[in-house]
Amino acid sequence: DAGVTQSPTHLIKTRGQQVTLRCSPKSGHDTVSWYQQALGQGPQFIFQYYEEEERQRGNFPDRFSGHQFPNYSSELNVNALLLGDSALYLCASSLGTADTQYFGPGTRLTVL
Amino acid sequence: AQSVTQLGSHVSVSEGALVLLRCNYSSSVPPYLFWYVQYPNQGLQLLLKYTSAATLVKGINGFEAEFKKSETSFHLTKPSAHMSDAAEYFCAVTPAGDMRFGAGTRLTVKP
Repeated sequence: DAGVTQSPTHLIKTRGQQVTLRCSPKSGHDTVSWYQQALGQGPQFIFQYYEEEERQRGNFPDRFSGHQFPNYSSELNVNALLLGDSALYLCASSLGTADTQYFGPGTRLTVL
Repeated sequence: AQSVTQLGSHVSVSEGALVLLRCNYSSSVPPYLFWYVQYPNQGLQLLLKYTSAATLVKGINGFEAEFKKSETSFHLTKPSAHMSDAAEYFCAVTPAGDMRFGAGTRLTVKP
């Protein structure tokens, strides 16, 4: 049973560029949530997707956007990258919006 | 708003000693509470969750946590620490899908 997978593992970008991160949920799950974890901090909720729509959103600017596909996989897009966007980006999947979330290994984004 | 506070950013124990990681929650309604563990350069792994079925929750790897409403606490314990328990531990609460994490507690296990 495949767990949550994320790609790429690592990514290096420069300020002002755009980035796309990808997530495949655990088999049988239909909801994907994204989190940003800065170094030495706990994860911060970015948004959650269910039925291809953004259902909830945390306190992140519009530069952060996402998408969910019919197969439940998801993308996180960040535009106009800032140095402060450097972090570990975690994807979590669940069965439904309020069920237990299972996390992927994360994508480490470095912005230079 | 629901939130959690983890007391102690760093806890150090000897191998075989009791592990106690503290978490207090703030919630006006019965919360769903979780403990996750994060090993270096990895994602989060679910240790256990509280969903109001029982106040003492048993998780994986010998960990357990007790929900105490009177103290608004959900502390994580393990009777005997193992070297492999060294990691970062996060307490979290979820009002409705948007999980809110504490700042984390780094557990060090000394031989």
